[in-house]
Amino acid sequence: DVKVTQSSRYLVKRTGEKVFLECVQDMDHENMFWYRQDPGLGLRLIYFSYDVKMKEKGDIPEGYSVSREKKERFSLILESASTNQTSMYLCASRRGVRGIYNEQFFGPGTRLTVL
Amino acid sequence: RKEVEQDPGPFNVPEGATVAFNCTYSNSASQSFFWYRQDCRKEPKLLMSVYSSGNEDGRFTAQLNRASQYISLLIRDSKLSDSATYLCVVFNAGNNRKLIWGLGTSLAVNP
Repeated sequence: DVKVTQSSRYLVKRTGEKVFLECVQDMDHENMFWYRQDPGLGLRLIYFSYDVKMKEKGDIPEGYSVSREKKERFSLILESASTNQTSMYLCASRRGVRGIYNEQFFGPGTRLTVL
Repeated sequence: RKEVEQDPGPFNVPEGATVAFNCTYSNSASQSFFWYRQDCRKEPKLLMSVYSSGNEDGRFTAQLNRASQYISLLIRDSKLSDSATYLCVVFNAGNNRKLIWGLGTSLAVNP
């Protein structure tokens, strides 16, 4: 069974705090992704990574950074949390080679509230 | 225009009904297509891929129409457990290899 795990299911932080969201996958997938999901806005891509130490901006990277030092781990960092970053954060992984029909697997999500 | 568009619904249907969703995409170079299912407060999970020849998995049938740039999902004999949001997803290897997600269609199957 493919597993994508996220460090917390629920997180409450204060404005201005630095926040780390961790994601680990156990299937040796090359590609990893961070999304946020908000009502009426759907899934929006924040950052993604094709492989270790690689990162690409998604559609809404402002206020976020990422780190991928090991293949199985992809971290999302909120340098200075703001209330408009209150959201559900979803991590995903996907095999990056050979196949346009490769499935994307998601973690259970982290519901972040910034007060 | 959004790259992937879906009717948000909600679709309210009785148990046993047949229901169909459509999804349109704007990039004619899109290469692969999927339907994901998302239950309330859960992560999305792959329901089925959509192949050019169409494909069926039990009560679910997916079709692709490249000429008109849309994909469809047909659910027969709806069950209460089919209640969820159905996300249309499109992949283009040339588009930085990202999946493009629709906003989803909400389905409620009622007893």
